[in-house]
Amino acid sequence: RKEVEQDPGPFNVPEGATVAFNCTYSNSASQSFFWYRQDCRKEPKLLMSVYSSGNEDGRFTAQLNRASQYISLLIRDSKLSDSATYLCVVNIPPGGSQGNLIFGKGTKLSVKP
Amino acid sequence: EAGVTQFPSHSVIEKGQTVTLRCDPISGHDNLYWYRRVMGKEIKFLLHFVKESKQDESGMPNNRFLAERTGGTYSTLKVQPAELEDSGVYFCASSRKQGSGANVLTFGAGSRLTVL
Repeated sequence: RKEVEQDPGPFNVPEGATVAFNCTYSNSASQSFFWYRQDCRKEPKLLMSVYSSGNEDGRFTAQLNRASQYISLLIRDSKLSDSATYLCVVNIPPGGSQGNLIFGKGTKLSVKP
Repeated sequence: EAGVTQFPSHSVIEKGQTVTLRCDPISGHDNLYWYRRVMGKEIKFLLHFVKESKQDESGMPNNRFLAERTGGTYSTLKVQPAELEDSGVYFCASSRKQGSGANVLTFGAGSRLTVL
């Protein structure tokens, strides 16, 4: 079983749509959770950290369910510029360094006009 | 502030040759990481420096890979001799020393390695 699993997509949606990404992680010792965004042939960039209480940043909402080991990202009113690959990332510091991030393979989003 | 810079952006070499990748982290960032993504797979951790010391090298695939960070500034990752399966994109990332920013990584644009 992969440590971080995501639906690979692609998700093809029209502008203005709401789209949800799901992610599960296998190690219950995971302590930090993130969503990164990666544009084609570019570096991953931090989109947002994910907290147990859930957090929102504009059109983006992230949720964490530790009991189910499940992370989600919701994008409302999607824009053409949201087209990218969204990477679910976890960190397991004990036994590994704080920056030893575990990446999912990513979910590709394509927003069409 | 200037970002994480990597050189070269793309390198094409033949199997058995040597390649050295360089990473310049954000100034003042003590933590420096190497990751790589081989085709069709997820990005995977290789190793972590804190200043010039290797904090965690659990992700290094084998002894053909050598990472250094002399002086605690820039880092190099040497692959010698390169094999076909080493092809991929090598990302460098850096973060602040400690505190809440320690696991907020800034990635470089990556060095794409093609081994023929």
